Amino acid sequence: AAGVIQSPRHLIKEKRETATLKCYPIPRHDTVYWYQQGPGQDPQFLISFYEKMQSDKGSIPDRFSAQQFSDYHSELNMSSLELGDSALYFCASSLRRDRWVPDTQYFGPGTRLTVL
Amino acid sequence: GEDVEQSLFLSVREGDSSVINCTYTDSSSTYLYWYKQEPGAGLQLLTYIFSNMDMKQDQRLTVLLNKKDKHLSLRIADTQTGDSAIYFCAESKEAAGNKLTFGGGTRVLVKP
Repeated sequence: AAGVIQSPRHLIKEKRETATLKCYPIPRHDTVYWYQQGPGQDPQFLISFYEKMQSDKGSIPDRFSAQQFSDYHSELNMSSLELGDSALYFCASSLRRDRWVPDTQYFGPGTRLTVL
Repeated sequence: GEDVEQSLFLSVREGDSSVINCTYTDSSSTYLYWYKQEPGAGLQLLTYIFSNMDMKQDQRLTVLLNKKDKHLSLRIADTQTGDSAIYFCAESKEAAGNKLTFGGGTRVLVKP
């Protein structure tokens, strides 16, 4: 079965550079979530999109922006990178259903971003 | 996460049962989940429970939910070395866009 695809898998950037992370959800999934996992930490929710519209926003810095495109893939754009942005960035996708079935999120393998 | 807490570490012998505990603060949580993360890998959904349920069993996994105490546990029967990983509990609220709030993770080490 097709899974969530993230690219690149690894990315090394210098401080103050920009980075773009891509996420390709499972086919027919309409919702995308982005999470950031720092070293030794739990994943923290950044932002989500449902049917190409932003549906929720978490602890996402103003330096970051994201969008979901017409083909449902999503991109996380990160500017003015800081050392503290070094983390594993996960994308998850789901298919919205009624409330009696969970909005089960399937995670991609993550993009490991290292900022030097 | 500060709203969901877990113990940091659990060591168990192969073949024994493991019990991983989690407490949460928000009584409006709709679903509670258990995810598994192996080193350098993504998050794998193991199981979930709806907040109005007490128990759910899925093969070697048993989830118990005490809604009064806001306590969630995951029991793994006949623990194998392949079960060594970090286990995260997480909660979501339908009213909050279904985003997941994770606990800090419990590192489970299975000894042969």
